[in-house]
Amino acid sequence: KNEVEQSPQNLTAQEGEFITINCSYSVGISALHWLQQHPGGGIVSLFMLSSGKKKHGRLIATINIQEKHSSLHITASHPRDSAVYICAVRDQGAQKLVFGQGTRLTINP
Amino acid sequence: NAGVTQTPKFQVLKTGQSMTLQCAQDMNHEYMSWYRQDPGMGLRLIHYSVGAGITDQGEVPNGYNVSRSTTEDFPLRLLSAAPSQTSVYFCASSWGLNTGELFFGEGSRLTVL
Repeated sequence: KNEVEQSPQNLTAQEGEFITINCSYSVGISALHWLQQHPGGGIVSLFMLSSGKKKHGRLIATINIQEKHSSLHITASHPRDSAVYICAVRDQGAQKLVFGQGTRLTINP
Repeated sequence: NAGVTQTPKFQVLKTGQSMTLQCAQDMNHEYMSWYRQDPGMGLRLIHYSVGAGITDQGEVPNGYNVSRSTTEDFPLRLLSAAPSQTSVYFCASSWGLNTGELFFGEGSRLTVL
């Protein structure tokens, strides 16, 4: 079993829909990152969380440390949100990240 | 502000050849790392560094060497390329894994024939 599991693996939605991507992990962590990778390859950091909730524009990230679960929400989705979203966790005491396999999101106009 | 600069973007090698992927950052970040990305596998850590003169292995270090002689530079060396090293490589840096966002280079697509 992977240490970091994302669901769904693929998600297709219509423009304007509310999107939720989930990340579950099996180890104790000290931080969780959400990343975005557009077609063509560049990777951009969206959020780093250790507790609670963060919001940036239409993106919201939450984390529940007790349940070992994080969600990334996109409100009023737009075709430009189409990308692969990647969750990564820092194992407590370790200087390295473990990555989920990513969720491929497609937003149709 | 250039951020993380990674070169080359594309490279084709023959089995047994050696090469170096360059990574430089101008943000004075202490933490730098190299990942490979393969279809269906997600990003996997090759090597990382928490400061100049300090490096350590990640999940998949075999066949790769790194050094960190300066804060800015963290080159990845392939000693004797193998077809299994065909992949897309990313360099990333940050102040620290708990203290800030990760900044990624644009990636290097390597094909080993």
